[in-house]
Amino acid sequence: AQKVTQAQTEISVVEKEDVTLDCVYETRDTTYYLFWYKQPPSGELVFLIRRNSFDEQNEISGRYSWNFQKSTSSFNFTITASQVVDSAVYFCALRGNYGQNFVFGPGTRLSVLP
Amino acid sequence: EAGVAQSPRYKIIEKRQSVAFWCNPISGHATLYWYQQILGQGPKLLIQFQNNGVVDDSQLPKDRFSAERLKGVDSTLKIQPAKLEDSAVYLCASSSNNRGSNYGYTFGSGTRLTVV
Repeated sequence: AQKVTQAQTEISVVEKEDVTLDCVYETRDTTYYLFWYKQPPSGELVFLIRRNSFDEQNEISGRYSWNFQKSTSSFNFTITASQVVDSAVYFCALRGNYGQNFVFGPGTRLSVLP
Repeated sequence: EAGVAQSPRYKIIEKRQSVAFWCNPISGHATLYWYQQILGQGPKLLIQFQNNGVVDDSQLPKDRFSAERLKGVDSTLKIQPAKLEDSAVYLCASSSNNRGSNYGYTFGSGTRLTVV
């Protein structure tokens, strides 16, 4: 069975602080895909990144960076110099290789205070 | 490119009533998904269509939920009769093939259902 755990239910930081959101996953698939989505108060799910299981290179996109560690089944997400607009619920998700649906984690609510 | 359209945006009904949600996916996307997101939880797949055929409906409560995608484009999700625990946001998503596009699904803004 596939499972995604996001141990942090809520995080509060002050603007300009760095923050890391943790994600741990379980799967028996040898090929799989990991995602992060942002859900602002308006409700839509905004795609942030997709990472393939065979590509362990870390990625940086502006203030966002992702650390994929296959050995520990983790796919953590760091926001550098956080801003108030980063306040949202962030979901980590896992998808297998055979057209399977997403398995989402429970989400982490990030509040960035001015 | 237009996104995934959903309507209505909000719906409030009494328990035991019926309700229907509509989804129009991105043009050309063969795969369509309905997810249920209960407050404080991540989305959970209810049903997946490939064109007008059902790929996965293992988590759809079939005694009260039904969904169709008759022409392989728009889809309707129905709940009859609704229960209090059906209060949630119902998200529709589409992707360009069964394995998903290179950049993931595209989600609609969802329909927020409140059952009172």
